[in-house]
Amino acid sequence: QVQLEESGPGRVKPSETLSLTCTVSDASISNYNWYWIRQPPGKGLEWIGDISYIGISNYSPSLKSRVTISIDASRNQFSLKLISVTAADTAMYYCARAYSRGWGCDHWGLGTLVTVSS
Amino acid sequence: SYELTQPPSVSVSPGQTARITCSGDKLGDKYACWYQQKPGQSPVLVIYQDNKRPSGIPERFSGSNSGNTATLTISGAQALDEADYYCQAWDTNTAFFGTGTKVTVL
Repeated sequence: QVQLEESGPGRVKPSETLSLTCTVSDASISNYNWYWIRQPPGKGLEWIGDISYIGISNYSPSLKSRVTISIDASRNQFSLKLISVTAADTAMYYCARAYSRGWGCDHWGLGTLVTVSS
Repeated sequence: SYELTQPPSVSVSPGQTARITCSGDKLGDKYACWYQQKPGQSPVLVIYQDNKRPSGIPERFSGSNSGNTATLTISGAQALDEADYYCQAWDTNTAFFGTGTKVTVL
């Protein structure tokens, strides 16, 4: 059974960089697309971006200027960097997997709460 | 920017049918997915490609998509179906989630 696990700091200061890593276990990172999705407390889901196993990334237009998603197939990991964070970036951050667009994300991590606060 | 609109809440009696709509411009021309999210848990995919159920999802969950509206139907709703439900679709190269619907079974 595929497992995804997010890791990274639970607190980031305003104007600094949020960095998270998703480690994929019991499955190869090949042949799938890998997503970052967030959910502010009490609110809905927001797609941040995704990356293919060959490293082609795609970002939300509203976050594109601040986001970078990268992949390390040798470690079965992919990562998120979000620069210049503000309180509005406080959210539960999820990593997820999808075979292709339209197939939906069939496996999700448990999520990690990131709070932006000084 | 593309928008997917869902009703904020839907109530259903146990054993009855709940229908959750998701509206978006020409949504029927795109694939729609549906996720179930219970409090404190990660979302779970319940429908993909409009009407396909992933392995392990009960048959009481079904989907359709035509025109501007995708619909998730829960036939014979059970107490354990009480959750938030989100639709999702792609427009150009951007993924969009619906506004979310809280389903109450009572």
